[in-house]
Amino acid sequence: GAGVSQSPSNKVTEKGKDVELRCDPISGHTALYWYRQRLGQGLEFLIYFQGNSAPDKSGLPSDRFSAERTGESVSTLTIQRTQQEDSAVYLCASNRVAGVIETQYFGPGTRLLVL
Amino acid sequence: SQQGEEDPQALSIQEGENATMNCSYKTSINNLQWYRQNSGRGLVHLILIRSNEREKHSGRLRVTLDTSKKSSSLLITASRAADTASYFCATAGYSGAGSYQLTFGKGTKLSVIP
Repeated sequence: GAGVSQSPSNKVTEKGKDVELRCDPISGHTALYWYRQRLGQGLEFLIYFQGNSAPDKSGLPSDRFSAERTGESVSTLTIQRTQQEDSAVYLCASNRVAGVIETQYFGPGTRLLVL
Repeated sequence: SQQGEEDPQALSIQEGENATMNCSYKTSINNLQWYRQNSGRGLVHLILIRSNEREKHSGRLRVTLDTSKKSSSLLITASRAADTASYFCATAGYSGAGSYQLTFGKGTKLSVIP
């Protein structure tokens, strides 16, 4: 079946603009994660959605970051008033069930560049 | 903060040689996973080892886990140029903030020279 998809692949924006990133998880995957990866670094957890439960937003770096997910389908990550330090690859991942993670399936990421 | 720390940060070897990457972590885990990333894009799951396992094999991959030392190693045997990528370890556990999470290290950048 289709994997996790993300759009856009690349986004260049000016400082101060808002951006919206989209993630389509694998159909039927209950859990969805957003990560941020700065150049040459590991992945930073941002936010976790599991089914209809309240999301875990503990990784969001500031109130400029927010995310939504409709049921068990698409999710959007919004960054308001972008700053240059927001430049990174934003990765989405999903796994089949909520709970202990066995295998996480990643999308190709959105590379964001804030000028 | 990131729990896993890979060592070395970068590794360059000749094709055919073995590559060993190490990972250390700090807290208790349910399982530990290794992922591969090409060109800064999406990660691909390679292998998972549970906290009650000590060694696991998958093709040319061998993973060990020492929970007493809170460390793991990934061995790639008979390396190929196509193995060139960044390799990340990730520990799976409960975050305490309402979710189960994978916590990633900074990765080892492997270059296999033909």
